[in-house]
Amino acid sequence: SQWGEENLQALSIQEGEDVTMNCSYKTYTTVVQWYRQKSGKGPAQLILIRSNEREKRSGRLRATLDTSSQSSSLSITGTLATDTAVYFCATAGSGGNYKPTFGKGTSLVVHP
Amino acid sequence: NAGVIQTPRHKVTGKGQEATLWCEPISGHSAVFWYRQTIVQGLEFLTYFRNQAPIDDSGMPKERFSAQMPNQSHSTLKIQSTQPQDSAVYLCASRRTGGRYAEQFFGPGTRLTVL
Repeated sequence: SQWGEENLQALSIQEGEDVTMNCSYKTYTTVVQWYRQKSGKGPAQLILIRSNEREKRSGRLRATLDTSSQSSSLSITGTLATDTAVYFCATAGSGGNYKPTFGKGTSLVVHP
Repeated sequence: NAGVIQTPRHKVTGKGQEATLWCEPISGHSAVFWYRQTIVQGLEFLTYFRNQAPIDDSGMPKERFSAQMPNQSHSTLKIQSTQPQDSAVYLCASRRTGGRYAEQFFGPGTRLTVL
């Protein structure tokens, strides 16, 4: 799993496999966002899951959120080589100002 | 819609020189963020503008870094007397609103290398 003090995690799988990436956070948040960053590009938001949601799906992606354990996961089913990227989770700041805090990320390599 | 535009894409400076990085947010977006990304530290928040006003600069190194947003169509991040440890990818992002549920759109980043 990823969070601030951990090093970048790395996964290497074959195309067609399913994969789950985990993220844990330390402070209260009302939202967890999952991002994907491909080489040479900026991060792109994949899924935003709110604290009152336990699961959210988007195509082959599924995000879960467990506020009691302060953890979230992102699953990708039927991976493609084009899913190769670094995946980040991010939490929102508290109070009136939004200051995202990003995990170190999981580097996913999907071999064709 | 061209997305968030950042220029230059790559910048090389000598130690002690100044570097200015430019960001053009998506038209109509009121919130602009700057981040720094390195292998060791990951993605770090630097500063945040809403409706051109500075809201939170708690991530900015105080002495040599400054950011401005003179109008709604661009923001700049200036680093004075650059040091090798400033080498990183600097990312700009914009959101339609300041709310935490609004999607954040990132630019491609500026890779700064300080020799």
